[in-house]
Amino acid sequence: DTGVSQDPRHKITKRGQNVTFRCDPISEHNRLYWYRQTLGQGPEFLTYFQNEAQLEKSRLLSDRFSAERPKGSFSTLEIQRTEQGDSAMYLCASCLAGAYEQYFGPGTRLTVT
Amino acid sequence: EDKVVQSPLSLVVHEGDTVTLNCSYEVTNFRSLLWYKQEKKAPTFLFMLTSSGIEKKSGRLSSILDKKELFSILNITATQTGDSAIYLCAVEASGAGSYQLTFGKGTKLSVIP
Repeated sequence: DTGVSQDPRHKITKRGQNVTFRCDPISEHNRLYWYRQTLGQGPEFLTYFQNEAQLEKSRLLSDRFSAERPKGSFSTLEIQRTEQGDSAMYLCASCLAGAYEQYFGPGTRLTVT
Repeated sequence: EDKVVQSPLSLVVHEGDTVTLNCSYEVTNFRSLLWYKQEKKAPTFLFMLTSSGIEKKSGRLSSILDKKELFSILNITATQTGDSAIYLCAVEASGAGSYQLTFGKGTKLSVIP
């Protein structure tokens, strides 16, 4: 399978714990995006990378969230001191620079209890 | 702030019916409008529209963009139960804040036999 992959697919954690998610984009794609989706809503932009550079972060992204893409390939999204409001599906997408369509991974569903 | 509004939010039809899904938007420096289909997993790309009046077609699905009136429609003819999904509309803007997609809430389509 050469699509976008994400790990884990599901994560249940207690409030206050830290969690980290991984995204592996399509290999030749140099742009990588993170989105968050809650029930009944469309995906909401969090941040994006071009190669290893993080070029934009949503104003809605709290300081508890951090993302990295150290070698311009896979990316990680960490949430520190999780809160119940962080419960959502976290989607990763990738595309080629200059392309319009983003290809999405299967998502990581986070439940904070 | 960029805004995407989809209607209806949900729709129930019988197999064989034709449906029209609507998407209106307000965005500064419009670059493209995209349609995605989301079943119980990641959104999958359907169409990307950049020019007014040019219909994009794929099998029973078609879409068109009106940049003057700031809306797009997605048509599905001869619906099948496999068309049941959430259909997401997203817009991309160029300039500051570019490359991220702003999504609507989606239209949940249910096709019953």
